[in-house]
Amino acid sequence: QVQLQESGPGLVKPSETLSLSCTVSGGSVRSNSYDWSWIRQPPGKGLEWIGNFYFSGSTNYNPSLKSRVTISLVTSKNQISLKLTSVTAADTAVYYCARAQRYCESGSCFVVGFDPWGQGTLVTVPS
Amino acid sequence: NFMLTQPHSVSESPGKTVTISCTRSSGGIASNYVQWYQQRPGSVPTPVIFEHNRRPSGVPDRFSGSIDSSSNSASLTISGLQAEDEADYYCQSYDSANHGVFGGGTKLTVL
Repeated sequence: QVQLQESGPGLVKPSETLSLSCTVSGGSVRSNSYDWSWIRQPPGKGLEWIGNFYFSGSTNYNPSLKSRVTISLVTSKNQISLKLTSVTAADTAVYYCARAQRYCESGSCFVVGFDPWGQGTLVTVPS
Repeated sequence: NFMLTQPHSVSESPGKTVTISCTRSSGGIASNYVQWYQQRPGSVPTPVIFEHNRRPSGVPDRFSGSIDSSSNSASLTISGLQAEDEADYYCQSYDSANHGVFGGGTKLTVL
């Protein structure tokens, strides 16, 4: 049973870099069976997909965040890392990591959904 | 890219059936799988439907998903409503570049 737990600073100053970790238990982040995702939710608002890290090592990011976001693996710690640069108050949100659900057809694979999710961690960027 | 539009809120009485819609703005609804997530107040989103109509293990069969190409929409139907079903529900899909797309969410109130 894969479980995920996010961690990182709860307060980040404007213009600085948000850095979060997602520790995975019950499975290896390097497994070719898994892709990984980050999703965020501003307080009182809906969900926003941030990006995917595929088992192949490639990444895919929300176009609105692409210039500022990096998702990577820290295999020595069995973690997925999220970095978001030049943050503003608009980046205040609960950040979730999730295992991506993969669907493959005709040799192509897609992340179709997310399960399970971590508990989420609130990151506040003061205005 | 496309958007997924959900009603802001729906309400129904216990024991009744409610349907939440999710309309895709462009491209066919059947082109990419639609998932549905339940988020109870203060809790983590959990999937209730994958791949248009597949229930994850542990989700009661009161939850069902479907798509309708004529209206270009997906639907989540919850029958035999219970108080515990009161939550926000989000539909989600992805585009041809595999960018994730979420609907704005629907608040379900069980009267």
